[in-house]
Amino acid sequence: EPEVTQTPSHQVTQMGQEVILRCVPISNHLYFYWYRQILGQKVEFLVSFYNNEISEKSEIFDDQFSVERPDGSNFTLKIRSTKLEDSAMYFCASRESGELFFGEGSRLTVL
Amino acid sequence: RKEVEQDPGPFNVPEGATVAFNCTYSNSASQSFFWYRQDCRKEPKLLMSVYSSGNEDGRFTAQLNRASQYISLLIRDSKLSDSATYLCVVTSNNAGNMLTFGGGTRLMVKP
Repeated sequence: EPEVTQTPSHQVTQMGQEVILRCVPISNHLYFYWYRQILGQKVEFLVSFYNNEISEKSEIFDDQFSVERPDGSNFTLKIRSTKLEDSAMYFCASRESGELFFGEGSRLTVL
Repeated sequence: RKEVEQDPGPFNVPEGATVAFNCTYSNSASQSFFWYRQDCRKEPKLLMSVYSSGNEDGRFTAQLNRASQYISLLIRDSKLSDSATYLCVVTSNNAGNMLTFGGGTRLMVKP
């Protein structure tokens, strides 16, 4: 069964460092998403991507965040200068037209 | 008013009980509705889509009330394995490509 894959599963970084989280969406899907979930809190929308550009983004997705689809298969989330409050589980998701399919998440810990 | 609102629970029920959750949404233009299930520290997984006419999948029944802007999930004959957080997901923009999560309702099924 096709699935969304994410790497790394866990990353520990120092405050101020750049982090890149990688995702390989399901191959025939057209819409790609990043969500985050701070421990014990709700799943929050960050950004959606369609046709090689951002289609929607939330207030959380400020200038420190960027997304790219560099090679037609990977979909990356970059955090330029991490803050303590960026510590969370980051979920990539993709969809064709209906429901979202999620990857297993990348846990980011900022020290 | 929050975009998608759920009672956080927890709902503590005995095995075999019937339990129902509601979710209210604020955007009357929302077109797509889903229930997801999330186990502790795992990614959300689709439980069922919610259709206008209501739909059933085994022990699970989902209903949509557009006039009152809520969706519901009914679980019959609860199993221990139903213990999880149930997330209501709604398209929250007119283009239908932004999916917003409720905060989740936690269900604990006890022997």
